[in-house]
Amino acid sequence: QVQLVQSGAEVKKPGASVKVSCRASGYTFSNYYIHWVRQAPGQGLEWMGMINPSGGHTNYAQKFEGRVTMTRDTSTSTLHMEMTSLRHEDTAIYYCAREGTIFGVLMGNDIWGQGTTVTVS
Amino acid sequence: EIVLTQSPGTLSLSPGERATLSCRASQSISNTYLAWYQQRPGQPPRLLIYGASSWAPGIPDRFSGSGSGTDFTLTISRVEPEDFAVYFCQQYGSSPPYTFGQGTKLEIK
Repeated sequence: QVQLVQSGAEVKKPGASVKVSCRASGYTFSNYYIHWVRQAPGQGLEWMGMINPSGGHTNYAQKFEGRVTMTRDTSTSTLHMEMTSLRHEDTAIYYCAREGTIFGVLMGNDIWGQGTTVTVS
Repeated sequence: EIVLTQSPGTLSLSPGERATLSCRASQSISNTYLAWYQQRPGQPPRLLIYGASSWAPGIPDRFSGSGSGTDFTLTISRVEPEDFAVYFCQQYGSSPPYTFGQGTKLEIK
């Protein structure tokens, strides 16, 4: 079935970097954009950016420009999100999510990974 | 950046009652690229409605979406016990960043 499976939880010290992975399966990898969204404890959803797996083009929220890099590996159908210079306030669950389409119409994020908890402490 | 404001922050209802959730945008959302998500504790969000009023696959028809421009509504015709959760709206598709509203918590009265 269509699914996104993310890497396991991470604990990092302030100033360190973290790389979260998201492996796609059950659909044509290059046909769907992937978005990254985070959620701090007890808070709402924050859109971080997106990547086109076909050509690797990215679009980041201004807040994350220069600190976040989204990449993809087409050989393994895996997306990566790397964040540098971690701060306590980056403690959150990080989700990858597919931008769905139905009959050519954009749907928003129809498939989500299970989330990866990143703790900065 | 389009700011989405959801109201109310918390909605307290009994099972069987009708729920009406609002999402207001700071500027018009083109092509009605407005989605609604449900998030239960410990789970990722689940897409309910896209294009302001279209059901995502597998979503029961007690959920419905309406609106255009800057004002959107999610309605649950009769709330079931499994519907008590947090609901988010999101604008997507044309103008990044694809912002979310702050959420409405639907709780049992």
